Amino acid sequence: RKEVEQDPGPFNVPEGATVAFNCTYSNSASQSFFWYRQDCRKEPKLLMSVYSSGNEDGRFTAQLNRASQYISLLIRDSKLSDSATYLCAETNTNAGKSTFGDGTTLTVKP
Amino acid sequence: DTGVSQDPRHKITKRGQNVTFRCDPISEHNRLYWYRQTLGQGPEFLTYFQNEAQLEKSRLLSDRFSAERPKGSFSTLEIQHTEQGDSAMYLCASTRFAGGTNYGYTFGSGTRLTVV
Repeated sequence: RKEVEQDPGPFNVPEGATVAFNCTYSNSASQSFFWYRQDCRKEPKLLMSVYSSGNEDGRFTAQLNRASQYISLLIRDSKLSDSATYLCAETNTNAGKSTFGDGTTLTVKP
Repeated sequence: DTGVSQDPRHKITKRGQNVTFRCDPISEHNRLYWYRQTLGQGPEFLTYFQNEAQLEKSRLLSDRFSAERPKGSFSTLEIQHTEQGDSAMYLCASTRFAGGTNYGYTFGSGTRLTVV
């Protein structure tokens, strides 16, 4: 079993839709969680950090459920420009490095 | 500061040759990481530095891979005797790590390696 698992999708949604991705992690000692956005053939870019129960930034909301060991990313009012791959990552403080999932691909259509 | 810089952007090499990549992190960041990414996969950890000290190297990394960060500034990743399986995007990232908290990575644009 991979340490961080994501539904690869693809998720195909119309503009304006609300879409949610889940990410599960196996290391109960994980302290910090992140969502990164990666466009095709580009580097990942940090979208949101989650240190406690959740975080919200405009149309994006991240939630952390430690009991069930998953984090989610909710995108409201999807835009065409939201089309990308979304990578989930967890960081164990002691290990000092992030472990990534394989990403979930989102396509927002007109 | 213009972010994390990587050089070269692309490298095509023949099997068996040695290659070296360079990464210049954000100057205020104290940690530097190397990852490898192949199509359809997430970034895979290779190694990381805190200042000039190499703190961890992935068990998946063969002895053909070596990384350095002299004086805690830029870092180099060398692959000796390249194999076709080494073809991937090599990503460098830096971050501020303080008080046990990782503040998330800033990635460079990556070096795309093709071994023919």
